[in-house]
Amino acid sequence: QITLKESGPTLVKPTQTLTLTCTFSGFSLSTPGVGVGWIRQPPGKALEWLALLYWDDAKRFSPSLKSRLTITKATSKNQVVLTMTYMDPVDTATYYCTHSVIGAQTFYDYWGQGTLVTVSS
Amino acid sequence: SYELTQPPSVSVSPGQTARITCSGDALPKKYAYWYQQKSGQAPVLVIYEDRKRPSGIPERFSGSSSGTMATLTISGAQVEDEADYHCYSTDSSGDRDVFGTGTKVTVL
Repeated sequence: QITLKESGPTLVKPTQTLTLTCTFSGFSLSTPGVGVGWIRQPPGKALEWLALLYWDDAKRFSPSLKSRLTITKATSKNQVVLTMTYMDPVDTATYYCTHSVIGAQTFYDYWGQGTLVTVSS
Repeated sequence: SYELTQPPSVSVSPGQTARITCSGDALPKKYAYWYQQKSGQAPVLVIYEDRKRPSGIPERFSGSSSGTMATLTISGAQVEDEADYHCYSTDSSGDRDVFGTGTKVTVL
């Protein structure tokens, strides 16, 4: 049974760096063809793909946010950390951590419950 | 940048068929995926690789794709199918993952 859960601050100030942790179970990020992705959704708006970490430590980022994002495996092998620098009120959103199937085409089949991050002074 | 376009809303009476479209230039070469998102909840995958249904998804959900348009069909829509539906795919290079603009389905 695959589960994922996001954790991190619910409120950050403009210009601060956001750090979110995804804690997962039911799969190994060392298994070929597996990844962990991050996707966000501003209130009332569409989903937006942010980043993907592959089983072999390769990474992909949204071109529009690439300069602000990092994604890494945490010390614990069952955690992935996303950081986003220079947070702005437009970054207010629910951030989701996902299990990814990486093959001929990547997709996201299991999602965490999401965590709402508000950017405000 | 690559975009997937969906109608903002679709309304259907219970028991009738709802069709939600997703338009994108790379869809002739890339699979479409569909997610259902009920209010206050995380998205759930209902269709993958254009037409496959994950375990546990009712048979009334089906998918198809032709040319630059993918379609999610809900045959015999139920009140519990009221939700936002998002299509997903990748651009032609495979480097950028993209979600559609989202469609709110109302069943009444």
